Amino acid sequence: KQEVTQIPAALSVPEGENLVLNCSFTDSAIYNLQWFRQDPGKGLTSLLLIQSSQREQTSGRLNASLDKSSGRSTLYIAASQPGDSATYLCAVKGSGGGADGLTFGKGTHLIIQP
Amino acid sequence: NAGVTQTPKFRVLKTGQSMTLLCAQDMNHEYMYWYRQDPGMGLRLIHYSVGEGTTAKGEVPDGYNVSRLKKQNFLLGLESAAPSQTSVYFCASSYGPAGYEQYFGPGTRLTVT
Repeated sequence: KQEVTQIPAALSVPEGENLVLNCSFTDSAIYNLQWFRQDPGKGLTSLLLIQSSQREQTSGRLNASLDKSSGRSTLYIAASQPGDSATYLCAVKGSGGGADGLTFGKGTHLIIQP
Repeated sequence: NAGVTQTPKFRVLKTGQSMTLLCAQDMNHEYMYWYRQDPGMGLRLIHYSVGEGTTAKGEVPDGYNVSRLKKQNFLLGLESAAPSQTSVYFCASSYGPAGYEQYFGPGTRLTVT
């Protein structure tokens, strides 16, 4: 059974710092990996989708990398801002061939101090 | 383009009562999903659908039923609510089964007393 782990569980840094969030998964047979942001009491907002054949994706100040063989992904946030404060979730889509959903990690709760 | 919408946003039920959560999407997606989010557990898949008229079980289907009578709607039913079903429920949709982003609704916060 696929398991997704996110480290650290919580992180608090001053504004302006660059930071890295980590995600690991136990089964490397995946179709893709998706990073989400969740604000308190809100739904999930998709940030980046990386296909299994890709090594990285970039969107603005965000860069996500994928090393499928080692079962790892990182989300790099450059020049962090207080508005980046949220919980960041990593999720993988298995390549078992079925249409079942994503397997999620428990998230990293990020606080950016002004 | 509203994306994925969910009704209601909040609901309190007594044990044994029933209710239906409605998910609607206007992106013409074939695939729709219901997840629940519990503290310390992450999101877990309840049921999903690969198209109008089809449904399938996910990781935690017990106590729930679903229906997909129209392509744009996916209903989640609780026939006899239990306190263990207190959770935040999220609906999601995607264009295809793999290689496509899943788009999430804002969630329904359900409390069963």
